[in-house]
Amino acid sequence: AQSVTQLDSQVPVFEEAPVELRCNYSSSVSVYLFWYVQYPNQGLQLLLKYLSGSTLVESINGFEAEFNKSQTSFHLRKPSVHISDTAEYFCAVSDAGGYQKVTFGIGTKLQVIP
Amino acid sequence: EAQVTQNPRYLITVTGKKLTVTCSQNMNHEYMSWYRQDPGLGLRQIYYSMNVEVTDKGDVPEGYKVSRKEKRNFPLILESPSPNQTSLYFCASSPSLQGTEQFFGPGTRLTVL
Repeated sequence: AQSVTQLDSQVPVFEEAPVELRCNYSSSVSVYLFWYVQYPNQGLQLLLKYLSGSTLVESINGFEAEFNKSQTSFHLRKPSVHISDTAEYFCAVSDAGGYQKVTFGIGTKLQVIP
Repeated sequence: EAQVTQNPRYLITVTGKKLTVTCSQNMNHEYMSWYRQDPGLGLRQIYYSMNVEVTDKGDVPEGYKVSRKEKRNFPLILESPSPNQTSLYFCASSPSLQGTEQFFGPGTRLTVL
């Protein structure tokens, strides 16, 4: 069975400061990894994903995540956050084969302070 | 506009009164799923469907039913709602299971008194 751990339930950070949201996963097989973002009163939207190839993946709004197989991690980073990044971020994992059931983490609330 | 729609967006009901939350997608996606979101628990999958007439249980299926008679629709049925089903519910769809993203609806906030 696969699982996802997001250690930080809330992360406050000042505007223009860097941020890292941590995600660790557990799976006995190869995985696909995702980060979704949920803005207040909205559904989830895909932020970025790792399927294969380069271990560093980027989003269009400046976030990046690096797949680290040895540490089973997929941490999300941004060098300089904006107020508009205030949201809840969910890490998700699915097995890369057969029926890919997606398992979500509990989410990390990013609060950007002016 | 490509989207997943859910109705109603908000619902307050009483214990035991059957209800249905509708979900519809206009992207011709094969795969659809229902999740509930609870504080401290993240998203947990209730049921999923890989195509018309093909459904299966997720992690927390107790107390819920689903059907997939048409590709675009995937209603969630609570035959006898209980207060522990008070939650935020999301429907999602994706074109396949091969590592593609899921597209989420706006959510339905259900309160069972």
